[in-house]
Amino acid sequence: AQKITQTQPGMFVQEKEAVTLDCTYDTSDPSYGLFWYKQPSSGEMIFLIYQGSYDQQNATEGRYSLNFQKARKSANLVISASQLGDSAMYFCAMSPSGYSTLTFGKGTMLLVSP
Amino acid sequence: NAGVTQTPKFQVLKTGQSMTLQCAQDMNHEYMSWYRQDPGMGLRLIHYSVGAGITDQGEVPNGYNVSRSTTEDFPLRLLSAAPSQTSVYFCASSTNSGSSYNEQFFGPGTRLTVL
Repeated sequence: AQKITQTQPGMFVQEKEAVTLDCTYDTSDPSYGLFWYKQPSSGEMIFLIYQGSYDQQNATEGRYSLNFQKARKSANLVISASQLGDSAMYFCAMSPSGYSTLTFGKGTMLLVSP
Repeated sequence: NAGVTQTPKFQVLKTGQSMTLQCAQDMNHEYMSWYRQDPGMGLRLIHYSVGAGITDQGEVPNGYNVSRSTTEDFPLRLLSAAPSQTSVYFCASSTNSGSSYNEQFFGPGTRLTVL
């Protein structure tokens, strides 16, 4: 079984600052994928970034990067230069290799202030 | 290409009523799943399917039925609605990548209230 832990219920950041959203995971599977999704107030789930467990480099997608520390079982999301539109709920999720479903954390609400 | 569609967007039921939440995808994805989202709980897996005719239970399957007669459709049936089933329901689909990269494409969600 997999477990995702997001310990920050809410985070506040000022516009243009960087913010790190924490995610730790637990799994016995040797191969797995880690995902981050954004859910704005409108409710849709938006895929942000993916990291494979065997990837040598940390994933990056524009202003999003994933700080992957395999030994510590952490997969923190870093958002650089925050924007007002980044205010949303953020979910960390994982899936063992070859599986079709995700296990989600409880989420972190990010609020970006001007 | 509509992606994943869900109907209805909103629904109010009385305790004991039954209903079906519809989900369809036009991406020819093998995998489809249903999740429910409750405040403070994240998304939890209800049922999933790895292909037509094949379904399995997730973390919270009680009170729900599914079937998958076609690749495109994956309806979720509430047999006898209970207030505990008040939630936002998301349908998702993904392709079989054969690796750990199985990005889920989500529908817009159905907000269900059971009185």
